[in-house]
Amino acid sequence: DADVTQTPRNRITKTGKRIMLECSQTKGHDRMYWYRQDPGLGLRLIYYSFDVKDINKGEISDGYSVSRQAQAKFSLSLESAIPNQTALYFCATSAGDLRETQYFGPGTRLLVL
Amino acid sequence: TQLLEQSPQFLSIQEGENLTVYCNSSSVFSSLQWYRQEPGEGPVLLVTVVTGGEVKKLKRLTFQFGDARKDSSLHITAAQTGDTGLYLCAGAQGYSTLTFGKGTMLLVSP
Repeated sequence: DADVTQTPRNRITKTGKRIMLECSQTKGHDRMYWYRQDPGLGLRLIYYSFDVKDINKGEISDGYSVSRQAQAKFSLSLESAIPNQTALYFCATSAGDLRETQYFGPGTRLLVL
Repeated sequence: TQLLEQSPQFLSIQEGENLTVYCNSSSVFSSLQWYRQEPGEGPVLLVTVVTGGEVKKLKRLTFQFGDARKDSSLHITAAQTGDTGLYLCAGAQGYSTLTFGKGTMLLVSP
């Protein structure tokens, strides 16, 4: 089984709809991250969490919110989706400091019409 | 935001050729990582370098961290089709998050 899973893998939604992307990990890591990837722009950090009670905004948090339900679960919500949120979204986990490996999920491809 | 510039953005070569991709910044990083991403998958860590001037080898891949810890390079010897993918560098400043470059897309043809 994969260490980091994301659901759904693909999603098409309409402008204005609320959508939630979910991430689960079995690595026992405290740190979890949400990134979005756009062609030509690389990976950009949306939110990150260092433990269940710790939530931090990343570079591009506007229009997004997150919930850390448990050590193993970190969800990303788009409260009112807009077309420029069409992107590939990745969840990642790591054990500790930034020299540690970040383990990425397989990604969720989101299309907002 | 501290930027990491990767070059080239795209590289198409034949199997057996050598290549080098670069990751440059005007900022100093405490460590730098290289990831490879294949289509439909998330990035996978290749290496972490932490000391200025450090060189690490992973089979046919050679990674170097600049003496001033502002830049890094990845050299692939005798490229194979399995090396095809997006190569991302990511630098650490402080203790919280990584800054990713935009990536170099490598296509190795038979």
